[in-house]
Amino acid sequence: SQTIHQWPATLVQPVGSPLSLECTVEGTSNPNLYWYRQAAGRGLQLLFYSIGIDQISSEVPQNLSASRPQDRQFILSSKKLLLSDSGFYLCAWSEGWKLVEQYFGPGTRLTVT
Amino acid sequence: DAKTTQPPSMDCAEGRAANLPCNHSTISGNEYVYWYRQIHSQGPQYIIHGLKNNETNEMASLIITEDRKSSTLILPHATLRDTAVYYCIFNAGGTSYGKLTFGQGTILTVHP
Repeated sequence: SQTIHQWPATLVQPVGSPLSLECTVEGTSNPNLYWYRQAAGRGLQLLFYSIGIDQISSEVPQNLSASRPQDRQFILSSKKLLLSDSGFYLCAWSEGWKLVEQYFGPGTRLTVT
Repeated sequence: DAKTTQPPSMDCAEGRAANLPCNHSTISGNEYVYWYRQIHSQGPQYIIHGLKNNETNEMASLIITEDRKSSTLILPHATLRDTAVYYCIFNAGGTSYGKLTFGQGTILTVHP
């Protein structure tokens, strides 16, 4: 069966510090991968999606970036965090040819102080 | 952007059916209606999807109007564990690469 992992689960970082969040998927190959952010009391906002290694599209211009060094690994990064980057970050995957269902990871709660 | 309209909150008694409405008047012919839910502090969970016909699975039923401009998610026998935010979304798939636009959703509270 397929599983999706995210770490860390929680993170408190000062403004201006770098960020690296990792997501890995097991039990499937060539998944579509997604990064979402959910600010407090808000809906989910799609940040990045990837249909393959080194194929990443950004949905919202910001100081975040994403990379996909391996087929089932998706990384969200920032060189300098802003207060507005605080939120709940969710990674999700879907089967490459089947776009109906997305499976979400447990999320990382980031607080920028 | 693909936009849906849902009531911000609803209540339901445990054991009764929960009927969650969604308006998606701008949906086009090849776009599916999806429902997800998010229990507090967890990632969203896929529930069901449909295009034209009504659908049923082990979690819920989805009723889509004939003009496809609205739908209703039905949880036939709500339990306390069904308390969550429910999101109605539509998406064309294909070159949209599964991009889902989540709105504010409906907060469903199931009472004992």
